[in-house]
Amino acid sequence: SAVISQKPSRDICQRGTSLTIQCQVDSQVTMMFWYRQQPGQSLTLIATANQGSEATYESGFVIDKFPISRPNLTFSTLTVSNMSPEDSSIYLCSSQEGEQFFGPGTRLTVL
Amino acid sequence: ELKVEQNPLFLSMQEGKNYTIYCNYSTTSDRLYWYRQDPGKSLESLFVLLSNGAVKQEGRLMASLDTKARLSTLHITAAVHDLSATYFCAVDTHGAGTALIFGKGTTLSVSS
Repeated sequence: SAVISQKPSRDICQRGTSLTIQCQVDSQVTMMFWYRQQPGQSLTLIATANQGSEATYESGFVIDKFPISRPNLTFSTLTVSNMSPEDSSIYLCSSQEGEQFFGPGTRLTVL
Repeated sequence: ELKVEQNPLFLSMQEGKNYTIYCNYSTTSDRLYWYRQDPGKSLESLFVLLSNGAVKQEGRLMASLDTKARLSTLHITAAVHDLSATYFCAVDTHGAGTALIFGKGTTLSVSS
């Protein structure tokens, strides 16, 4: 199974600032995904990140707010831009190779 | 619109009892996933069910899949406190290898 790491594990940020979350997989994977889990809620897909192409965003998520990079087959970043308290969530990345494995998550609090 | 519905959303059980969590989904996906999440933690993969009639068991948990009914069940046998967690079911959005759509989760609390 793939091992996925994320940095940072948690952060507290001021509104109006941006945070970039890094996701590293220990093997090459075709598909990587970014999810958001708001407090006490289930997971919602933000976007699919494929290497060499633009990320595909789900309804309600836009590139200006959540720009994503996928420079190679083992790494991706998600930026949460111009943050507001409503962005306080856990952000998880995952990869799909046979089954979907999740990183440990980044717990973001926006004040 | 793809939907995944779990019930119950909250389940309070006594140790030693049996119970079943239900997961209904609206897509034609043949793959269904069960995950466990402990408070403040990420998701741990429990089961991947790949075909109609699939049944998998691990310890006190057993999962099954009926693709015709678009229903999966997670059965808990003789619950113990260590099983207290939130359990999610999920299906592929556009077939194998694509993103998942999740149910709302079932928060299980097992007490003595």
